[in-house]
Amino acid sequence: GDSVTQMEGPVTLSEEAFLTINCTYTATGYPSLFWYVQYPGEGLQLLLKATKADDKGSNKGFEATYRKETTSFHLEKGSVQVSDSAVYFCALRNSGNTPLVFGKGTRLSVIA
Amino acid sequence: GAGVSQTPSNKVTEKGKYVELRCDPISGHTALYWYRQSLGQGPEFLIYFQGTGAADDSGLPNDRFFAVRPEGSVSTLKIQRTERGDSAVYLCASSLRSGGATDTQYFGPGTRLTVL
Repeated sequence: GDSVTQMEGPVTLSEEAFLTINCTYTATGYPSLFWYVQYPGEGLQLLLKATKADDKGSNKGFEATYRKETTSFHLEKGSVQVSDSAVYFCALRNSGNTPLVFGKGTRLSVIA
Repeated sequence: GAGVSQTPSNKVTEKGKYVELRCDPISGHTALYWYRQSLGQGPEFLIYFQGTGAADDSGLPNDRFFAVRPEGSVSTLKIQRTERGDSAVYLCASSLRSGGATDTQYFGPGTRLTVL
């Protein structure tokens, strides 16, 4: 079945550091890919998405590019802030009436 | 407008009891999803409604779990004879429609269920 694998956390970075959180997927067909973020005490929020190969999703300084050849959707940000501290989930959704399939999440802590 | 709301935010119960968890989706959203998130894990799909009917309940772990959406809006997840392993955060999400892989699912804050 479909699955998502993302890098283990926690990840601790200093403010203004470069962030990469790796995500790879296994899926039949051509899924849409998503990054969700869960800030402390809040619900899951969609951060960005990409719906086809070579699409780049971006939001709040975060970017991820849908790479079909490597089945990856790595999340990047050039300069993290303390307010980016959260848990980040990579997810996919295949075509048709299918639910989201999530990775286990990566906790990011940014220190000043 | 209002987002997805879930009540209660926290529920503590004893093993063997019955619990109901409620989800109010975003107004006008026809698709509603229930997920379960255990500690240190990503959310896992339980059941999905399109309108009033359960379109896919393949994620329900066993027959102690049941969900309804009688009027196509509010949904209730029901767990009978709770077990300690049911302890988790139960998440609800809604989307404008279903069938599109690009449809954005909007999540509620979750209900944290603890079974003692």
